[in-house]
Parts: sequence; structure tokens; C-alpha cells
Amino acid sequence: EPEVTQTPSHQVTQMGQEVILRCVPISNHLYFYWYRQILGQKVEFLVSFYNNEISEKSEIFDDQFSVERPDGSNFTLKIRSTKLEDSAMYFCASSREQNSPLHFGNGTRLTVT
Amino acid sequence: AQKVTQAQTEISVVEKEDVTLDCVYETRDTTYYLFWYKQPPSGELVFLIRRNSFDEQNEISGRYSWNFQKSTSSFNFTITASQVVDSAVYFCALIWNSGNTPLVFGKGTRLSVIA
Repeated sequence: EPEVTQTPSHQVTQMGQEVILRCVPISNHLYFYWYRQILGQKVEFLVSFYNNEISEKSEIFDDQFSVERPDGSNFTLKIRSTKLEDSAMYFCASSREQNSPLHFGNGTRLTVT
Repeated sequence: AQKVTQAQTEISVVEKEDVTLDCVYETRDTTYYLFWYKQPPSGELVFLIRRNSFDEQNEISGRYSWNFQKSTSSFNFTITASQVVDSAVYFCALIWNSGNTPLVFGKGTRLSVIA
């Protein structure tokens, strides 16, 4: 069964550094998402992406964040200057249609020191 | 407001007991979709079920069953004869149909099944 893949599984970075989290969505899916989960807390929406542009973003997704689909398969989340509070599990997800189930990757655990 | 409430933060049961996880939602839309996801200790999010607002039939899948009641805005999840492998955090989630809205999660219920 096709799945969403995320790399790396764990990323450690120093405060102020830039990080790029990578995702390969399921190939015939059209909608892409990033969510994050601070340890032990709820899963929070960051951004959705469709037709090569951001379709919705949350208050969390400020100017430090950006997303890109640089080619036909990858979907990346960049954090320009990481802060301690960016430490979380970041999940990429994709769906075939707008309201169909989101399929999540296994997540990237980001640790900012 | 559109939101999902899972009032039970943690539940502990002994293996083979039945357990029900509660989910109450709020939405102004008449068309919406409800989901349950499982997050085992390994951390991934596993899709379990989607139900749209026009289909109030209850669903059973093996030991899992879901009770959708629009009158009480609830979408509860029951595990029958629980097993240790059911230990996980379970999230209820909602997406509504007006515009390209994101999936909104409840805070989750941590289920521990003890052998």
C-alpha cells in the first residue's frame, strides 16, 4: 500500500539554524499538509497546499515557515530560524480529495537545542 | 466555532474489557466529516474511519465500532474485548465543507490496556 514518507526521522538543530523537513506524499494525491505535535499535546494544523500554492495556514505558520513542492514528488517544510519552542513532531500528510482521509507520514522529530 | 472535544484524557482498562472513547464536536456546517486516528507508542498517525454528516449508520469493523449521533453531536468509538495492542492515543477529528478547511483534531484520549 502506498504511503507518505518523511525524512529524516529525527533532526537535532541549534537555535537560530534553518531546517528543512522533507516529505514524499502518495503519488496520486493532490492535497498536502503539514501538522505538528508538541510532545504529549494535540496535533495542530500548520498549512495546506494545493495546486502549487498554500490554500490555508494557521497562526502558527508565521514568516519563519515556508513550504515548497520543488519537483513532482517532494513536499518540504522549511523553518528559517528555529526557536526552542519549534521542538515537536512534524507530520506530513496527503489526501486524494479535499475531504478524503489524510494519510500521515511517520513524522520527523525536531529537537531544537 | 468548529471544534472537537475529547473529555477523557486518559483511560485505563484491563484486557478483554470493553471501552468507549467519547468525542463531541461543534460545527455550523451541515456537511462535515468526522474521523478517528490512532497514534500508537511508535508515534505514527493511523487512519481508522471517516464518516460524513449524512450517514448516521453505525459502523463495525472487527472489535471496533463507531456510534454517530447528530442529535448529540457525538461520534463515539468503542473497542470490544480490548487487547494490549490497542494501547495508544486516539484522536477524533473534524473537517467541514465550507472552503478548503483543515482537519481539526481533538486533544486525544490515551488508552492503556493492562494485561
